Amino acid sequence: GEQVEQRPPHLSVPEGDSAVIICTYTDSATAYFYWYKQEPGAGLQLLMSVFSNVDRKEEQGLTVLLNKKDKQLSLNLTAAHPGDSAVYFCAVSGGSNYKLTFGKGTLLTVTP
Amino acid sequence: EAAVTQSPRNKVTVTGGNVTLSCRQTNSHNYMYWYRQDTGHGLRLIHYSYGAGNLQIGDVPDGYKATRTTQEDFFLLLELASPSQTSLYFCASSLLWGPSAEQFFGPGTRLTVL
Repeated sequence: GEQVEQRPPHLSVPEGDSAVIICTYTDSATAYFYWYKQEPGAGLQLLMSVFSNVDRKEEQGLTVLLNKKDKQLSLNLTAAHPGDSAVYFCAVSGGSNYKLTFGKGTLLTVTP
Repeated sequence: EAAVTQSPRNKVTVTGGNVTLSCRQTNSHNYMYWYRQDTGHGLRLIHYSYGAGNLQIGDVPDGYKATRTTQEDFFLLLELASPSQTSLYFCASSLLWGPSAEQFFGPGTRLTVL
């Protein structure tokens, strides 16, 4: 079945710098891609979703890049601020089944 | 916005104990899901349901039962809890099924099995 590798597991950046999180997936039929944010004590909040016909999507300081050739999905937070500190998960769906397959998460810490 | 609530938020039980985790969604979503989250594993799907009385098996169902009593309520049952079931449990709901269906998550229940 689908497997998703997410890296890095931990990421610390100073305020104002960018942060990049990368996921690689295995099923070339995967069609939908998601990024979630989890703040302490809270559930997962959907940040952005992209369909496989999109290579790049930008919203509110976030950029998602999709490289289907390399089966790689990335999230770029430009000008990170302390409020961005959280655990970020990628998730994919639409390959051999419709269930979401999650990466293991990245703990992002933005230092003032 | 979808509202998904879970109770209890924290639970401690002993090995062999009987535990029920509750989830309620108030947005008339058809689909509900139970996940567990463990360090180094991300979220893994335990069970899901597409309506009252329906239950589908997820990816890690062993040791868990679930029941969907109404469209709003989905319960996860651990009848003989084991320490390996110590985890953070999330409930989610979605209106539709399929890869484009956005799932809305509850705040989670932290379960500790001693």
